[in-house]
Amino acid sequence: AQSVTQLGSHVSVSEGALVLLRCNYSSSVPPYLFWYVQYPNQGLQLLLKYTTGATLVKGINGFEAEFKKSETSFHLTKPSAHMSDAAEYFCAVSDGAGSYQLTFGKGTKLSVIP
Amino acid sequence: SAVISQKPSRDICQRGTSLTIQCQVDSQVTMMFWYRQQPGQSLTLIATANQGSEATYESGFVIDKFPISRPNLTFSTLTVSNMSPEDSSIYLCSVGNRVQETQYFGPGTRLLVL
Repeated sequence: AQSVTQLGSHVSVSEGALVLLRCNYSSSVPPYLFWYVQYPNQGLQLLLKYTTGATLVKGINGFEAEFKKSETSFHLTKPSAHMSDAAEYFCAVSDGAGSYQLTFGKGTKLSVIP
Repeated sequence: SAVISQKPSRDICQRGTSLTIQCQVDSQVTMMFWYRQQPGQSLTLIATANQGSEATYESGFVIDKFPISRPNLTFSTLTVSNMSPEDSSIYLCSVGNRVQETQYFGPGTRLLVL
């Protein structure tokens, strides 16, 4: 069975500071990994994903994440936070090719302080 | 990615009543899913909506409480039956893109049961 752990239910950063949201997963097969963002009163928007190949993946809005198999991690980063980044971020894992079963982490709410 | 719409976007309902939520996609998709997001929680998969056959429900969810229809490849409905305040949640539909091996989410339906 898969699982996802997001460290920190709430993270606050200053505008312009580094954003680091942590995600660790467990999976019995090579996983596909996703980050979604949910802005207030909206649905989920895909930020980025890792399937195969390059372990550093770039997404929208300047976010990127690195798949580290040895650490079973897929942390999300952005060099400089913007006020518009304030939202809830969800990490999710699937069983890889052909599997649509997504397991979500509990989410991390990001606050950006002016 | 597909454009996904949901109706209604929000509703306030009395306990004991039922609400049907619609999910419309602008292109034919093979996989459609329904999720629940309880207040302050992550997403939980309710069921996979199968075109032309009965939905596949996850553990803890039953057809009598959450009947699902999928009459064609662009449309699905989820009914929340005999509602109680515990059913107050955001209900999201998603579609699976086989080529991109990714799920895309609708904007959600925010349900409050009094």
